[in-house]
Amino acid sequence: SQQGEEDPQALSIQEGENATMNCSYKTSINNLQWYRQNSGRGLVHLILIRSNEREKHSGRLRVTLDTSKKSSSLLITASRAADTASYFCATDPRSGGSNYKLTFGKGTLLTVNP
Amino acid sequence: GEEVAQTPKHLVRGEGQKAKLYCAPIKGHSYVFWYQQVLKNEFKFLISFQNENVFDETGMPKERFSAKCLPNSPCSLEIQATKLEDSAVYFCASGDQGRGPQHFGDGTRLSIL
Repeated sequence: SQQGEEDPQALSIQEGENATMNCSYKTSINNLQWYRQNSGRGLVHLILIRSNEREKHSGRLRVTLDTSKKSSSLLITASRAADTASYFCATDPRSGGSNYKLTFGKGTLLTVNP
Repeated sequence: GEEVAQTPKHLVRGEGQKAKLYCAPIKGHSYVFWYQQVLKNEFKFLISFQNENVFDETGMPKERFSAKCLPNSPCSLEIQATKLEDSAVYFCASGDQGRGPQHFGDGTRLSIL
């Protein structure tokens, strides 16, 4: 089953506006990652935030993590038409073993209108 | 190479036939992961490798799915006796750390008719 759940499922904004996507998860994690998927392509890694971090920035991206609420948000500032894509959060669950696998949410489809 | 290369891009098989997908990870990456994406959203983890060793195969339907990563060869994912429900896009990813970012290929779209 999918651990991460993104919200909203779809988001449509105008170029220049900010876009915020949220992700909730169920179990303890080592880290949480955000990926982008353009239509017909593979996932592109955007940013990784560790469980002991609260906020991270990369260019126009800002990610927050609240482990007490088991949630994360991805903010894209000053959006561009090229940001149109699906965005997925993925968690690296903290388990008893050392199995490295990501559990993905169902994604948010972001459409940025020119 | 600098990108994960997956072949073929699209594979069509009749129900009951065998399907074999290939993945060349980024050179120097010791971890390889396979995921199945159905209906353009949910990604299901299948299997991971550390070098040529299976690391985690908890997502594999073991009866019909198998995978290998042999030295000096592309990794492969093989599905025997395919079923309609196997229709999906199969993604391979590689990483230089078990817990770090994963670099994805563009996937193989498997269509079972």
